[in-house]
Amino acid sequence: DVKVTQSSRYLVKRTGEKVFLECVQDMDHENMFWYRQDPGLGLRLIYFSYDVKMKEKGDIPEGYSVSREKKERFSLILESASTNQTSMYLCASSYPGTRGQKKAFFGQGTRLTVV
Amino acid sequence: AQKVTQAQTEISVVEKEDVTLDCVYETRDTTYYLFWYKQPPSGELVFLIRRNSFDEQNEISGRYSWNFQKSTSSFNFTITASQVVDSAVYFCALSKEGAQKLVFGQGTRLTINP
Repeated sequence: DVKVTQSSRYLVKRTGEKVFLECVQDMDHENMFWYRQDPGLGLRLIYFSYDVKMKEKGDIPEGYSVSREKKERFSLILESASTNQTSMYLCASSYPGTRGQKKAFFGQGTRLTVV
Repeated sequence: AQKVTQAQTEISVVEKEDVTLDCVYETRDTTYYLFWYKQPPSGELVFLIRRNSFDEQNEISGRYSWNFQKSTSSFNFTITASQVVDSAVYFCALSKEGAQKLVFGQGTRLTINP
């Protein structure tokens, strides 16, 4: 059974802390994504990566960075957490489609609270 | 720019009723892909369907069916004889050709009451 695993289901961090959210997939997918989910806004793409060490900004990259040193692992970094980054974060992975996005597999999400 | 609108924020029905979730999209591309995902209480989104813009045939999978109409830019999802296990948040999403990312709608929270 294919799997995308996020390291934490719940996190509470203080304002100004550096926060790492980790995601691991076991499907050998080239593409990996970080989305943020907020009520009334759906999912919004923060960053995605199409290969090791390759990344592209999504729609809301401000305040975030990412790291992909190995194919199976994609990390989201909040350099200095702020209360407006309190949200649900979802990681996903997929094979690259020659014509467009293929079926994506999602992790269970990390609910981050910044106090 | 691409946009997906799910105007129904929440829907609540009684078990065994049929329910339709609306999805309207905007795109200037001629080739694009539409998706539906289900997010149960456990949190992970589960893929339900992917359709390309050239395939307007309706699709049925068990109690689920999808109606794609390019003329109205809609891709609606119907659950027939709903069950409590169908309770979830449902997302419609759009991807253009060559893109490797999805644009999601706001989601519709569906509650099926016994």
